[in-house]
Amino acid sequence: EVHLVESGGGLVQPGGSLRLSCAASGFTFSSFWMGWVRQAPGKGLEWVANIKKDATSKYYVDSVQGRFTISRDNAKDSLYLQMNNLRAEDTAIYYCARHGDFCLAYWGRGTLVTVSS
Amino acid sequence: DIVMTQSPDSLAVSLGERATINCKSSQTLFYGSKSASCVVWYQQKPGQPPKLLIFWTSIREAGVPDRFSGSGSGTDFILTISSLQAEDGAVYYCQQCYSHPWTFGQGTNVEVK
Repeated sequence: EVHLVESGGGLVQPGGSLRLSCAASGFTFSSFWMGWVRQAPGKGLEWVANIKKDATSKYYVDSVQGRFTISRDNAKDSLYLQMNNLRAEDTAIYYCARHGDFCLAYWGRGTLVTVSS
Repeated sequence: DIVMTQSPDSLAVSLGERATINCKSSQTLFYGSKSASCVVWYQQKPGQPPKLLIFWTSIREAGVPDRFSGSGSGTDFILTISSLQAEDGAVYYCQQCYSHPWTFGQGTNVEVK
């Protein structure tokens, strides 16, 4: 069974940094693209970033380009999101997701990031 | 960026009746190599992560009841729930996977009357 568990969320001041992690199990991690999607409180879904199986390609939504970095460690079955220069508008639940056939087939339960002074 | 616009924002449908959700993209999403449009539908219930329902416009994910169906072409896509059940009350999102950045519609809240 596919299992994705996010961690690393919390309260951070504007301009601060956080590193989110996603521990994957139940599938061959290195065989799948992975991604992050966020959801601000009471709002809709926003795709944030994704990364190819071997990390040779990465894509970002414009609003996080240059501030967030997606990475993975296939030896540890783990996905990461380094978030720098955080802003209030980055406050959201951050979901880790495993790709399917050009879709997000499996989702973790998310980790809450709150950016506030 | 491709804009996905859903309509309506919310709807209330009686148990056993049909629910129809529309999704319009700002450009075509057709992948020639797949002979299909790259549109995905998700269901999200309160306090839960989204769940994949439909991909490539009309392919139902394994385990999804066949009352859920996807259709459409060009820039107009539809999610249909043929006979609404109590457990189908949720927010539904369309998403384009044609080009980065991937984008979602704003969501449609379905209430079961």
